[in-house]
Amino acid sequence: DIQLTQSPSFLSASVGDRVTITCRASQGIHSYLAWYQQKPGKAPKLLISLASTLQSGIPSRFSGSGSGTEFTLTISSLQREDFATYYCQQLNIYPLTFGGGTKVEIK
Amino acid sequence: EVQLVESGGGLVQPGGSLRLSCSASGFRFSTYAMYWVRQAPGKGLAYVSSISPKGDSPYYADSVKGRFTISRDNSKNTLYLEMTSLRVEDTSMYYCAGQETRDDAFGIWGQGTMVTVSS
Repeated sequence: DIQLTQSPSFLSASVGDRVTITCRASQGIHSYLAWYQQKPGKAPKLLISLASTLQSGIPSRFSGSGSGTEFTLTISSLQREDFATYYCQQLNIYPLTFGGGTKVEIK
Repeated sequence: EVQLVESGGGLVQPGGSLRLSCSASGFRFSTYAMYWVRQAPGKGLAYVSSISPKGDSPYYADSVKGRFTISRDNSKNTLYLEMTSLRVEDTSMYYCAGQETRDDAFGIWGQGTMVTVSS
């Protein structure tokens, strides 16, 4: 199975901060990587597919980049509603594994 | 409105069985690959199983292989997960999710149904 390692696993930041989350794959997955946001008690929400394609309705402060084994999710100016847990997922090879998550909390 | 609604969760004893359902509406269910994803309390997301739009090519995580069976009825716009020989470690929120194309990832999610395996 492909392992996805997210870092950091926990992040404390302030409103307005620029935040970057990294996702590393144990083997190359081309650009078949997605990012999800999950808030407590809610289902995950797709933010970005194909490493950098922003989904409809997602604010432009979210962006994704990378290919192969290293990927990043960047939030250019953190807003209060962005405090949540973020997961990466590879869609290259079954099983479609998820990273361990990054919890973004208010400093 | 695009929607997935899971049902069938509950409390079951170890070794028991449950059947989860996921009812779809607002999109062409028969053209979507469908998935079950679970999340143990306080933990991350974990892939469980998947099925192609036509209902063939099922795939299972090693942790559930031989115990869980995924199926779908496109005439009823419904996805199923038959779970047998349940273990304490299967305790999780179970989500169904839909993927239109490989490029779209899991664009549609249900609200989840909780499965608790305990004596």
